[in-house]
Amino acid sequence: DAGVTQSPTHLIKTRGQHVTLRCSPISGHKSVSWYQQVLGQGPQFIFQYYEKEERGRGNFPDRFSARQFPNYSSELNVNALLLGDSALYLCASSLALPLYNEQFFGPGTRLTVL
Amino acid sequence: GENVEQHPSTLSVQEGDSAVIKCTYSDSASNYFPWYKQELGKRPQLIIDIRSNVGEKKDQRIAVTLNKTAKHFSLHITETQPEDSAVYFCAASKGYGQNFVFGPGTRLSVLP
Repeated sequence: DAGVTQSPTHLIKTRGQHVTLRCSPISGHKSVSWYQQVLGQGPQFIFQYYEKEERGRGNFPDRFSARQFPNYSSELNVNALLLGDSALYLCASSLALPLYNEQFFGPGTRLTVL
Repeated sequence: GENVEQHPSTLSVQEGDSAVIKCTYSDSASNYFPWYKQELGKRPQLIIDIRSNVGEKKDQRIAVTLNKTAKHFSLHITETQPEDSAVYFCAASKGYGQNFVFGPGTRLSVLP
């Protein structure tokens, strides 16, 4: 059984550009959450989706947006990239909303903004 | 909003000794507290979790304790092994649709 997958693995962009990150949850999982992990820090919550609806949003600017598709995969979009957006972006899936449901993390997408 | 603090930031122990990592949270409504292990270059993995209606939970060499009154919870690893070396994160959450707030992490080194 495949785990959570994310693409791409690595990405290099320049300031002002736009980026789209993709996540495929474990089969049967209906909830996807996105996190930003800056080097040396804990993951910071960005979004949570369940059954294709946004169920939670962290303290991130409107340049960050996301959506969940009918097959429960998800995209994270970041517009007008800043140097400070450089980080590891983690996707996590769970059977249902992740309270009391184990979250399984993907390998992450490492974004570098130059 | 919720704030989670974690101590120590780094911890070195001799193989076979015990390790204790402590976290405090600010929001008394938080009711679920997972611990994640992240090895270098790898994804975080859940190692143990505890709900607010439980004071202690054990899984082989790993245990977690929760003190709701003081709003702190701790991870205990006994008989540490070199493969326990990693960064450990605590987290707190308070309900469906609420986000997980992670602590800043503890880098544990188990010395042979």
